[in-house]
Formats: sequence, structure tokens, C-alpha cells
Amino acid sequence: EVQLVQSGAEVKKPGESLKISCKGSGYNFTTYWISWVRQMPGKGLEWMGRIDPSDSYTYSSPSFQGHVSISADKSISTAYLQWSSLEASDTAMYYCARQGAAGTFLDYWGQGTLVTVSS
Amino acid sequence: QSALTQPASVSGSPGQSITISCTGTSSDVGTYNLVSWYQQHPGKAPKLMIYEVSKRPSGVSNRFSGSKSGNTASLTISGLQAEDEADYYCCSYAGSSTLVFGGGTKLTAL
Repeated sequence: EVQLVQSGAEVKKPGESLKISCKGSGYNFTTYWISWVRQMPGKGLEWMGRIDPSDSYTYSSPSFQGHVSISADKSISTAYLQWSSLEASDTAMYYCARQGAAGTFLDYWGQGTLVTVSS
Repeated sequence: QSALTQPASVSGSPGQSITISCTGTSSDVGTYNLVSWYQQHPGKAPKLMIYEVSKRPSGVSNRFSGSKSGNTASLTISGLQAEDEADYYCCSYAGSSTLVFGGGTKLTAL
């Protein structure tokens, strides 16, 4: 059974750093890209970017470039989303998702990680 | 990339059919037959319902169907059921390994 299990909810202060994780199982982790998707409170889904776990090549949406970084450790089948300096506007639910064949749709999703940034 | 355009809300009575539209541009929906649709119930992760415009993943009811004409894709739900009440998002491949979502549509089963 394909599963993506994300790390737990986080509460941080503005300016702090954070790294959340997404562990894949039930499939060959290096065969499929992993995307990250943001959902701000009461809002829609936004595609942030993706990583190819086989070589760690990443591509980020222009809207998120420079503010977050995506990485992966294929030895433990885990992808990461990282901030060096959080802002209050980063408060959101973050989902990881596996990109299906040819990377054109998201076929399996993690349960989401809620990040709250507040002073 | 701009978000794809969806109606904010649609509604229908049980048993009826409803259609949700998703309008993009010639850079995404219009060029690629790579539109997908996701269902999201409150407090839950999204679920893939349709991919590559009209294909259904295993386990998804055949009451859900997709189509595309020009820059607009559509999701049709036939025989509406109470459990279909959720938010629905379209998504298109937009080239260079990128994806773009629609703003989402809240479906209410009256």
C-alpha cells in the first residue's frame, strides 16, 4: 500500500527555522517525484514545487522560490520542506503528494502538516 | 502562472447531475490533455478523482467524469449523493514540470 506519512504539527515564532518531512512507503521512492502543496486557512491549494528523489533535482514555483527549499534523502525515502526564516504568512497546512506517471498529476497525498507561525 | 478559474460554488439536489468548469489558458489547459481533479472533504487531504482529463483512478465511482474543450475543462458528477459534498479543485500541467491549481469549487448537495 502506497503511503506518505508527514511529520506532526508545528508552532513557531517569526524568524525561526523549520524543516518538515514526508516519508514514503509501499513503492520505489526514487521512481516518482514528490510535490509540496500549500493550503492557507480557508483557502485553496497552491503547488509549491517538486523534487525528483533519484537525483534531488528540484523545481519550485516562482511564487515560492527563494523562501522555501525542497530536499530529499532517498536512503530513508523521505522528502523535506524547509524554511530558514518563517513569517506569519507561512501559517498553513502543507501537503506532500506523489506525482504520478509523467509527473502530471498527484496520485497519493500525505495527511498534511499544520504549520502555525505566531509571536 | 495564474490560477485556473473555477466557480466558487455549485449546488444540486440528490440524484441530479452537476458540472464544475475550470478555465485556463493556451499555456496550460489549452495545450495539454493533462488536467486532473481533486476532491477535498473538510479537514482531510485531497483525493485524486480524475487524471489526464477523463481517466478515473481505480476505486473512483464512474459517476465522476471529466472532459475538455479548448481552454476549459469540466468535471461532471452524475447521480449526486450527499457524500459528494466537498471542495473540488482542478489542476493542469503547465509545462517545465510545473502544475497549476484552480481556486476551488464548493459543492453543496441540497
